[in-house]
This record gives sequence, C-alpha cells and structure tokens, in this order.
Amino acid sequence: AQSVTQLGSHVSVSEGALVLLRCNYSSSVPPYLFWYVQYPNQGLQLLLKYTTGATLVKGINGFEAEFKKSETSFHLTKPSAHMSDAAEYFCAVSNYNQGGKLIFGQGTELSVKP
Amino acid sequence: SAVISQKPSRDICQRGTSLTIQCQVDSQVTMMFWYRQQPGQSLTLIATANQGSEATYESGFVIDKFPISRPNLTFSTLTVSNMSPEDSSIYLCSVRDRGSHNEQFFGPGTRLTVL
Repeated sequence: AQSVTQLGSHVSVSEGALVLLRCNYSSSVPPYLFWYVQYPNQGLQLLLKYTTGATLVKGINGFEAEFKKSETSFHLTKPSAHMSDAAEYFCAVSNYNQGGKLIFGQGTELSVKP
Repeated sequence: SAVISQKPSRDICQRGTSLTIQCQVDSQVTMMFWYRQQPGQSLTLIATANQGSEATYESGFVIDKFPISRPNLTFSTLTVSNMSPEDSSIYLCSVRDRGSHNEQFFGPGTRLTVL
C-alpha cells in the first residue's frame, strides 16, 4: 500500500528565507509524486509533479522539488519566501496501477513572517 | 487544464437533512473523484465516479450515506444524506486529466456546516 508522510504540520519562515517542506513516501512500484497548494477557502492547485525523467522538477511560483529514490523523499523548496506563499501544502502519491487515485499526506501549513 | 465549478460554495444545514453538491467540468472527463476534508485535516477520498457505471467507494464510505450520480462526462453530484454535525467538512470534486499520470484538478470545494 502507498502512503505519504509530511514532517511538520506547521512551518514558519521569515520573508526572503528558504522554504523547505518535507515529504516522504512509501510505494512498492515507481511513484508519481505531486505537490498541491491550498489557499484559504479555495480548492487545491497543482504546484508541480514528478512522473519520470529528470528528478528535479520545477513548478509554479518559484517552487521546485527533487525526487530522491534512495531516500524515498520528494521535498518541496523555494529559495526565497514571499508573504503570498502562506498556505497549506499537500504532498500526494500515485502510480500507474492505482486507478487514478491520489494518496495525500497530512498537509503542512506554511506561515511567512514579515 | 479543466475548469471545475461546484454548487453550492457553502451551506449550513440542520441535522437529519440531506444536501446535494453539484460538480460541473468544462470538458469531457472519464474519471471524477469526490473528497472530504474535515476541519484542519487532509483530503480523504470518498469515491471514484466513472460515467456509465456505479461509483466505487473507499473503505469507510457507503452509498446509502453518500449517493453519487454521474449522468454524463461533464457532471456529477454527491449527496450527503441524513446529516450529523460530524459531516461538517469541505467536500471537493476533482477530475483526472486525460493522458496524465494521474494528475488531478480540483474544484473550489463546498463548505458544509451541520448544526
């Protein structure tokens, strides 16, 4: 069975500081990995995804994530936080035989201090 | 990417009543999904709704409580039946992008409060 663990339910950074949100997954087959962002009172928006190929993937709003198979990780980073990055971030895993289903992590709330 | 709308955006209901949530997509999609997001929690898949077949429910969710319709490739409804305060959640529909690696696009959600 697949699962996702996000370390840290709350992360707080200062504006301009590095953002690092951690995600570890469990999957018996090659995974598809996703990061979604949820702003207050809104649905989920896809930030980036890894399916195959290059392990460093770039997404919207300056975010990127690196797939590390040996560490079963897919951490999300952004070099310089902006106030508008404050939101809830979800890591999700799927694969080719999951019938299209996504398994979500618990979520990490990012706060950005001025 | 698909554009998804949901109605209503929010509602306050009395216990024992039922609410039907609509999900409309601007393009034809094969797979639609319904999720529940309880306050401060992550998303939990309720069921997968494919056009022309019965919805497939996840463990812990039953058709009598959450009946789903999928009459065509652009529309689905989720009914929350005989509601209790524990059903207070955000309900989201999503669609799987054709040809994608299980990438899903989400609607804005329906925020339900049961008194």
